[in-house]
This record gives sequence, structure tokens and C-alpha cells, in this order.
Amino acid sequence: GAVVSQHPSWVICKSGTSVKIECRSLDFQATTMFWYRQFPKQSLMLMATSNEGSKATYEQGVEKDKFLINHASLTLSTLTVTSAHPEDSSFYICSALYRGLATNEKLFFGSGTQLSVL
Amino acid sequence: GQQLNQSPQSMFIQEGEDVSMNCTSSSIFNTWLWYKQDPGEGPVLLIALYKAGELTSNGRLTAQFGTTRKDSFLNISASIPSDVGIYFCAGQLWNSGGGADGLTFGKGTHLIIQP
Repeated sequence: GAVVSQHPSWVICKSGTSVKIECRSLDFQATTMFWYRQFPKQSLMLMATSNEGSKATYEQGVEKDKFLINHASLTLSTLTVTSAHPEDSSFYICSALYRGLATNEKLFFGSGTQLSVL
Repeated sequence: GQQLNQSPQSMFIQEGEDVSMNCTSSSIFNTWLWYKQDPGEGPVLLIALYKAGELTSNGRLTAQFGTTRKDSFLNISASIPSDVGIYFCAGQLWNSGGGADGLTFGKGTHLIIQP
């Protein structure tokens, strides 16, 4: 099946630094990718929709200047958490939209990135 | 935004028992999906439902897309230890451009199997 690779799996950083998370679709082209955030023992919350070659669409309440999304190619989207603070510590998960024949569309998820900001 | 009500929040069952969980929404979805998430991992798709009224099975799992398009249930028959985990329902809408919007997730059902 289709595979989405997310890197790194975990990262620890100091407050004020920036962290980049990569999401790659390994065996299909994804014009659309999604970024989610999950706090401990909570559900996944959609942060933004990443469209290849255009600006990302952010959900209400998500700061676009803080969470920079770049979808420069059909197989790679990146999420950069700028000037990270402890409250940004969370599990970040990407998903890539696979478009098959007709209406066969499926979402494949990365394995997530655990961000801890000290 | 839309919200999904998923219940129960947690279930403590004996191995071999059947499990049932459900999700309801105040608005309709085009697609209902059920995922399982293990700690520190991304969710893994179990079943996808695309049509109102659709009933789909995947091994011991059965899920149905409610006829009103506002609800779905997931049943697991004859539970085994590896079924332990958190199960999420998710709803998806198709946008005006013909593409898919991001998923709206339920809050999850934590399944615990007692020996």
C-alpha cells in the first residue's frame, strides 16, 4: 500500500528555536497533504491543508506565521514550527491524499512527530 | 467547525467479547472512516465508508454509514489482545472544487482488554 514517511519521529528543542518536520509520499504524488496536531489523550485536530504550488489553508485559530507550511513538490510537504514554545509541544501528524481512478481517494498518514519544547 | 461525538470514551472488556462504538455528528459527511492508533504512531485506516447505508466488513470489524449521513458505528467481534488501542471515527467532506477536506476526528474510544 501507499506509504507516507514523516521525519523526524521525535525532536526536543529549546524554547525560541524553529523546528522543521517533513512529510513525504513515497510511492505516489500528493497534490494535497494535511497537517494535524494531537495533544496527549486527545483527538487529532486539523491544522492546515497543504496544496502543492499554492499557499496552505489554515484552520481557524492556527497561526500561519507560526506554523509555516511549504508544499514545494508533489511528494513533500514541510511544517516549520517557528519560535517554538513549551505550549507547542505536541504530536504532529501529516497525511497525504492519494487520488486513484474515478472517485478512489484515500488518505495515508505518517507515523507522527513528537515535539517537546524545553 | 464540525464536531463528532464518539462513544464510549473507554471500554473494559474480556477477551472474546464483542465491541461496539459509534459516532454522531450534527451535520452530514460524505465519507466516514474508522482508524486505530497505537501509542506514538499515526492512525491506521480500518474501514472507509462512502455511501449512506453502506455496511462494510474487514475481518472481525464491521462498520456502517448511517442513512442520515450523520452517524456511523464500528463493531469488533470476538476481541483479541491485539485489538487494544484507541479507535477514532473521522468524517470527511468533499469541497466545492471536488477535492477532499481534512478529516474531522471523534475524541476516540480507548479499548482495554482484560485477561
